[in-house]
Amino acid sequence: AQKVTQAQTEISVVEKEDVTLDCVYETRDTTYYLFWYKQPPSGELVFLIRRNSFDEQNEISGRYSWNFQKSTSSFNFTITASQVVDSAVYFCALSGGNQAGTALIFGKGTTLSVSS
Amino acid sequence: DGGITQSPKYLFRKEGQNVTLSCEQNLNHDAMYWYRQDPGQGLRLIYYSQIVNDFQKGDIAEGYSVSREKKESFPLTVTSAQKNPTAFYLCASSTGLYNEQFFGPGTRLTVL
Repeated sequence: AQKVTQAQTEISVVEKEDVTLDCVYETRDTTYYLFWYKQPPSGELVFLIRRNSFDEQNEISGRYSWNFQKSTSSFNFTITASQVVDSAVYFCALSGGNQAGTALIFGKGTTLSVSS
Repeated sequence: DGGITQSPKYLFRKEGQNVTLSCEQNLNHDAMYWYRQDPGQGLRLIYYSQIVNDFQKGDIAEGYSVSREKKESFPLTVTSAQKNPTAFYLCASSTGLYNEQFFGPGTRLTVL
């Protein structure tokens, strides 16, 4: 069975602090895809990144970076120099490439609060 | 502008009534999805459709129904058989089943 675990329910930081959101996944598929989404207070989910299982290269996009490690089944997300606008719920998700019918499996999300 | 629209934003329903949530996309995406989100929970898949006139049950399909008569539209009906329908409903679309999904603004359904 596929599963995504985001162990951190809530994180509070002060502006300019770095913060890492953890994501651990379980799958038997050899081909799979990992995603991160941001859900601001408005409710609409915003796509941040998609990574396939064959690409373990870390990715950096501005203040955001992602660390994918197959050995530990983790896909962690780091925000550098956090800002108040980063306050949101962040979801990690997984989809299997070998089997149909599962679409995206989401973790329960991590609520990030950044104070000024 | 391309995107996904959902209407209405807020919906109130009396117990025992069926209600239909609208989802329209102009992204020319083949796949569309419906998710339910409860407070403090992740998103759970209700139904998805890969092509017109075809759809599949997700993890929590009981008490819901969908149709996919047009590529652009994927309405969700919450029936009276759904025991606890109060939730936030999100519609999404993607170019393919395993590609990134783009989400609409959501509909918040409250059963009175």
